[in-house]
Amino acid sequence: GDSVTQMEGPVTLSEEAFLTINCTYTATGYPSLFWYVQYPGEGLQLLLKATKADDKGSNKGFEATYRKETTSFHLEKGSVQVSDSAVYFCALLSGGYQKVTFGTGTKLQVIP
Amino acid sequence: DTAVSQTPKYLVTQMGNDKSIKCEQNLGHDTMYWYKQDSKKFLKIMFSYNNKELIINETVPNRFSPKSPDKAHLNLHINSLELGDSAVYFCASSQGDRGLGYEQYFGPGTRLTVT
Repeated sequence: GDSVTQMEGPVTLSEEAFLTINCTYTATGYPSLFWYVQYPGEGLQLLLKATKADDKGSNKGFEATYRKETTSFHLEKGSVQVSDSAVYFCALLSGGYQKVTFGTGTKLQVIP
Repeated sequence: DTAVSQTPKYLVTQMGNDKSIKCEQNLGHDTMYWYKQDSKKFLKIMFSYNNKELIINETVPNRFSPKSPDKAHLNLHINSLELGDSAVYFCASSQGDRGLGYEQYFGPGTRLTVT
């Protein structure tokens, strides 16, 4: 079945540091890939997505590129801010009904 | 305007009770979901409805019963609550029903505590 593996957290960075959160997936066919973010006490919200190989999703300074050859969708940001502190979820959607498979989440803490 | 809303936001109850959580979306989406998030933030899908029809029914105790009176509403009823049911429950919705890459819109969550 489908699965998503993302790096365990928590990840602690200083403000303005470079961020990478690794995500790899296993799926049949050609899944769509997503990053969702969950701020404390809130529901998940879409951060970015990519629907086909080599697509790059980007939003709020975050980027991720859909790499089919390495089955990866790593999240990056060049300079994190304290306000980026949240839990980040990698997810995939493959065929059939809209059943999304989520990774386990990576908590990011950015300190001033 | 709130896109996906849930009530109540907090629910504290005793073991053995029956409770319901309500969800409404005003996005005109066809598909709605219930997820359970545990204390380690792990998200597990429970149910999904498309146009009031149950399309995803994961391995969930039959104490949990979803009900969709119309495509804008998906409620979750839980019978005989147990300590292990304590979690945050999220409702979500998305456009369309087949893998077309549509994202999901989540509600703010309902924190259920069973004592």
